[in-house]
Amino acid sequence: QVQLVESGGGLVKPGGSLRLSCAASGFTFSDYYMSWIRQAPGKGLEWVSYISSSGSTIYYADSVKGRFTISRDNAKNSLYLQMNSLRAEDTAVYYCARDNHVDYWGQGTLVTVSS
Amino acid sequence: QLVLTQSPSASASLGASVKLTCTLSSGHSSYAIAWHQQQPEKGPRYLMKLNSDGSHSKGDGIPDRFSGSSSGAERYLTISSLQSEDEADYYCQTWGTGLWVFGGGTKLTVL
Repeated sequence: QVQLVESGGGLVKPGGSLRLSCAASGFTFSDYYMSWIRQAPGKGLEWVSYISSSGSTIYYADSVKGRFTISRDNAKNSLYLQMNSLRAEDTAVYYCARDNHVDYWGQGTLVTVSS
Repeated sequence: QLVLTQSPSASASLGASVKLTCTLSSGHSSYAIAWHQQQPEKGPRYLMKLNSDGSHSKGDGIPDRFSGSSSGAERYLTISSLQSEDEADYYCQTWGTGLWVFGGGTKLTVL
């Protein structure tokens, strides 16, 4: 069955960096677009970034553009999110998600940005 | 600008039906959307993809009580025979070139 498992979250100081990973299984990873979506505490869902199946096309939300970098390794069935210059407002649960209509979600990993 | 609008809250009685609405912004009435459910303290779960013609494809294990329909720029999620576990936040979501958008969510209370 399809599984998406995020890791790499934690507590980081403002201005710091963190790298999230998402391990995919149960489907042909290289066939699918992938996204990162986040949810701040008590708030709604916010799309963060998207990467095409080959990695050739990438988009970012304006709120993270220039600070976050999405990437993927199709040989390792893995998706990544490098987060730099982190701010308090980046505090959220980060979800890995499959395809345009997000037909599968990971369980999420919590990122807390605080001094 | 691609925007999805949802009512913040809805309520219905146990065993009854409820219809949630998601409205696409002007000029985007042909867009497909997806509905997602988020139960308290859990991650989101995909319910279905809903096209502009009302056709929809549900996720694995989603009961027949959940159905979707469309009219113009409106996209609907109908839940029949409401159960206590249907009490949750419901989000609609769509996508365009370089942009994914979520509605603000509707909090459904089962009375």
